Amino acid sequence: SQTIHQWPATLVQPVGSPLSLECTVEGTSNPNLYWYRQAAGRGLQLLFYSVGIGQISSEVPQNLSASRPQDRQFILSSKKLLLSDSGFYLCAWTWGLAGSGNEQFFGPGTRLTVL
Amino acid sequence: AQKITQTQPGMFVQEKEAVTLDCTYDTSDPSYGLFWYKQPSSGEMIFLIYQGSYDQQNATEGRYSLNFQKARKSANLVISASQLGDSAMYFCAMRSYNTNAGKSTFGDGTTLTVKP
Repeated sequence: SQTIHQWPATLVQPVGSPLSLECTVEGTSNPNLYWYRQAAGRGLQLLFYSVGIGQISSEVPQNLSASRPQDRQFILSSKKLLLSDSGFYLCAWTWGLAGSGNEQFFGPGTRLTVL
Repeated sequence: AQKITQTQPGMFVQEKEAVTLDCTYDTSDPSYGLFWYKQPSSGEMIFLIYQGSYDQQNATEGRYSLNFQKARKSANLVISASQLGDSAMYFCAMRSYNTNAGKSTFGDGTTLTVKP
């Protein structure tokens, strides 16, 4: 069966510090991978997605970046955090078939607080 | 561009009663999928139900059913026989099938509270 891991679960960082959040998927190959951010009481905002190793698409211009160094690893980074980067970060994956009704599978999330 | 609108920020329902959570969508794509997810206070996103744009029948999954009205672009979630454990935030999402990127657009969610 497939599982998705995210770490850390919670993070408190000062403004201007770097960030690295990691997401890994087990039990599948060549998944589509996604990073979402959720503000308190709001919906999910898609930040980045990837359909393959080294292929990253950005949805929202910001001071965050993403990388996919391995097939089942997705990393979200920042060189200098802003207060507005606080939120709940969710990683998700799905099979990359066009016309697929497959749902997205989400990781447990990382709660980031920037002070 | 795709858009999902959930007009009910919060809903209350008595235990064992049915409740309908509204979702309307906007897209110019002819082929798409609609999804509902549940997010308890723990933060995990739990998939509930899926409806394809060409499906003739409304989807059902246990106590969940999706009232799909394509002409009106609505995909309301119906939860029958509500339970205390149904208290959570519920999100409607949409994915176009024009590409294999599988990107989904989410609504802002509805917070459901089940009263004993």
